[in-house]
Order: sequence, then C-alpha cells, then structure tokens
Amino acid sequence: DVKVTQSSRYLVKRTGEKVFLECVQDMDHENMFWYRQDPGLGLRLIYFSYDVKMKEKGDIPEGYSVSREKKERFSLILESASTNQTSMYLCASSTPGTGNTEAFFGQGTRLTVV
Amino acid sequence: AQTVTQSQPEMSVQEAETVTLSCTYDTSESNYYLFWYKQPPSRQMILVIRQEAYKQQNATENRFSVNFQKAAKSFSLKISDSQLGDTAMYFCAFHLRNRDDKIIFGKGTRLHILP
Repeated sequence: DVKVTQSSRYLVKRTGEKVFLECVQDMDHENMFWYRQDPGLGLRLIYFSYDVKMKEKGDIPEGYSVSREKKERFSLILESASTNQTSMYLCASSTPGTGNTEAFFGQGTRLTVV
Repeated sequence: AQTVTQSQPEMSVQEAETVTLSCTYDTSESNYYLFWYKQPPSRQMILVIRQEAYKQQNATENRFSVNFQKAAKSFSLKISDSQLGDTAMYFCAFHLRNRDDKIIFGKGTRLHILP
C-alpha cells in the first residue's frame, strides 16, 4: 500500500513561530503537493514539487515556503505563523505524466496558531 | 486555467437511497482525467472513481458510477444503495493528461447518510 505520512496530526503553535510540517511518501512518487483545507473553500494548493529541489507555487503560496531535499520528503514551512494560517494541511503524492494516477493523501495536520 | 465547481455544499439522504453529486468543470484542453475523492470524518482522503476524458463509457466501481458529459463539461457521481459508511466529504478533481500539472479540486460536497 502507498503510504503518505504527515509528521503530526494536531499541532498548536504561537503567533510568530517558525513551523515545519513534514510529509514522507514511500512509493517513489515524483510529484508531491501541499494543500490547505478550509470549510467552504475546499482544497487550495499551496506548493507542489515535481522533483528533488524543484518547487512551484500554487494558488496561495504567501506566507509559506517548501523544501524537498530528498525525493520521499516534502516539507512545508510557515516562516512566521499567523492566526489566519490556522487550518487543516494535507500532503499528497502522485506519479507524473499521464494524469491517470490518483493522488495519495496523508492523514492531515490540524494546525492551530494562537 | 482549469476550474472545478461543486454546486451542492451539503446533502442528506436516507440509507439505501440513491444520491447524485454534481460537478462541472471548465477547460480548453481535450486530454484530461477526472476523479472523485472521498474524505470520511477520519480525514484520510481516498479515491472513489476516475474517468478518462477520451473514453465515452462511464466509469463504474461497485455502487459508485459517474455520468460523464464531455460536451457539457459535467461529471456527476451516483451512489446507489447508499450506506452509513458513505458519509463523508466528496471532492471532484481534474488533472491534465501527459502534463506535469497540479490537480484542481472543487470545494466539496458534505454528504450525510441518515439511518
């Protein structure tokens, strides 16, 4: 089974803190994604990566950065956490090129910034 | 740019009934895939069904089937004989074929199956 693992299920951080959300996949997928899920807004893409050290901005990259030093790991970084970044964060991975392969998701991280 | 629209934020049906979730999308491309994902209250998102745009035949997976109308850019999900375990958020998604591109999701439909 494909497994996408996010490092934390629940996280509480203070305003201004630097926050790291980690995601690891074990299926050698080239593509990895970070989405933010908010009620009524669905899944909004923050960043995605097609290869090691490569990254592309999604629809809402402001206030976030990412790192992909190894193929299996994709980290989302909140440089200075703010209360409007309180949300559910979902990591996903897939294989590229055909569009036929599904995305596999982690269990999500519920981040609360206080 | 591609967009995906789910016009039903929330729905409720009785167990064993049939329910249809709507999805429309907009694209100028001709080769793409469409997906329905399910997110149960436990939050792990999983694939329900996929449809290849170049195939005319509608995809079916057990109790789940789609009505794919390419000209109308419509992709609805039908759940037959609904079960309590079908209670979840359902997301429609779009992915271009043969392109390293992002997956576009709709805003989701929250489906409640009532006992």
